[in-house]
Formats: sequence, C-alpha cells, structure tokens
Amino acid sequence: GAVVSQHPSRVICKSGTSVKIECRSLDFQATTMFWYRQFPKKSLMLMATSNEGSKATYEQGVEKDKFLINHASLTLSTLTVTSAHPEDSSFYICSASGTSGGLQETQYFGPGTRLLVL
Amino acid sequence: AQSVTQPDIHITVSEGASLELRCNYSYGATPYLFWYVQSPGQGLQLLLKYFSGDTLVQGIKGFEAEFKRSQSSFNLRKPSVHWSDAAEYFCAVGATFKNNDMRFGAGTRLTVKP
Repeated sequence: GAVVSQHPSRVICKSGTSVKIECRSLDFQATTMFWYRQFPKKSLMLMATSNEGSKATYEQGVEKDKFLINHASLTLSTLTVTSAHPEDSSFYICSASGTSGGLQETQYFGPGTRLLVL
Repeated sequence: AQSVTQPDIHITVSEGASLELRCNYSYGATPYLFWYVQSPGQGLQLLLKYFSGDTLVQGIKGFEAEFKRSQSSFNLRKPSVHWSDAAEYFCAVGATFKNNDMRFGAGTRLTVKP
C-alpha cells in the first residue's frame, strides 16, 4: 500500500518557539492531506484539510494562525505550530489521499509526531 | 451530528482465542463505518469499511465486521488472534463522503497473551 511519512517522529521544544512537522507521501501524489490531533485516551480530531496549491480548510475551533498548514507540492504538507505552549503538546497525525479526499477514497496515515512543549 | 463509542478501552485475549471489539454509533441514517488499526510507530491502517450492501464485511488480516442497524453497532471480529494483532483499534463513522464528517472513537487497545 501507499506510504506516508512524518518527520520528526518526536520533538521537544521550549514554550514560545515554533515547530514544523512534515508529512510526505512517498509513492503517490497526495491531492488532499489531512492533519489530526490525538489526545491521550482520546480519539483523533481533524484539525484541517489541505489541497495542493490551496489554502487549508480548518475545522471549527482550530486556530489557523496557531497551526499553519502549507501544501506546496503533491507530496509534501507541513504543519507549523507557532509560539508553542505546553497545551499544544499532543500527538499530531497526517493522512493523505490521492484524489478528492472523500471517504470513498482511502486515506493513508502517517505514523504521527509526538510534540512536547516545555 | 454522528458520534461513535468504543466501550472497551483495553482488552486482553490469549493468542488463538477469538476477538470481538465493540463499536456503537449514533446517527439517524445509514452511516459510513470504518475500522482502523494503529500499531506502535505505524500509521493508522484501514482494516475494513462499510458503505452499503452486505452487512457482513470482510477485511484484511482475517478481520470482519458486522453492521447491525437495530443495535447501532459495527463490531469487529477475528476468529483466532495472533500476537501480531496487538495494537490500538479505532472505529470511525461518517455521515457523508466528506472526510471532515468522519468521527473517530477513542480506541481500544488490544493486548495478546502468549
């Protein structure tokens, strides 16, 4: 099956700094990419949907100025957590779809990135 | 809006034993239903999905799930568990084909005893 990678797998940063997480589709072109946040013992929460070359669509309650998403190419999307604070500590997961990103299309998930803000 | 509940946070079964993971959803119409597995260090992998048709769905790795409208359930089953099945399992429900309509359950962690 298709492979999606994330880098880094884990990152520790100081409060107030910014952190960039990369999501890459390794063997297919990802027209649509999704970013999720997963809290301990909680389900995945969709943060935003991004289409290559377009601005990301953020879910209600997600601060777009806080979580900057860029999808500059068909194989790379980045999530930048700006001015990170301890409450941003979480597990961030991306997924990618080769076409429209609808549920009828298979999503391929990355392994996730663990962010710890001190 | 639709929602999904996985009542069991953690389940332990012996290798070779049968497995059933519960998933209950809340939605007024026929939902789109999914089961994903997440192994440590790996991304979520789709095990199976139900959109319509036969209510018993076969998936990969020997898993199956049955959609029961009367019980609002979509339980995942496997007749004989292997040690490699130890992982986190997520049920998800969608109301439309839009991805942002999909809701995930909190997950069930499966431990397999030798």
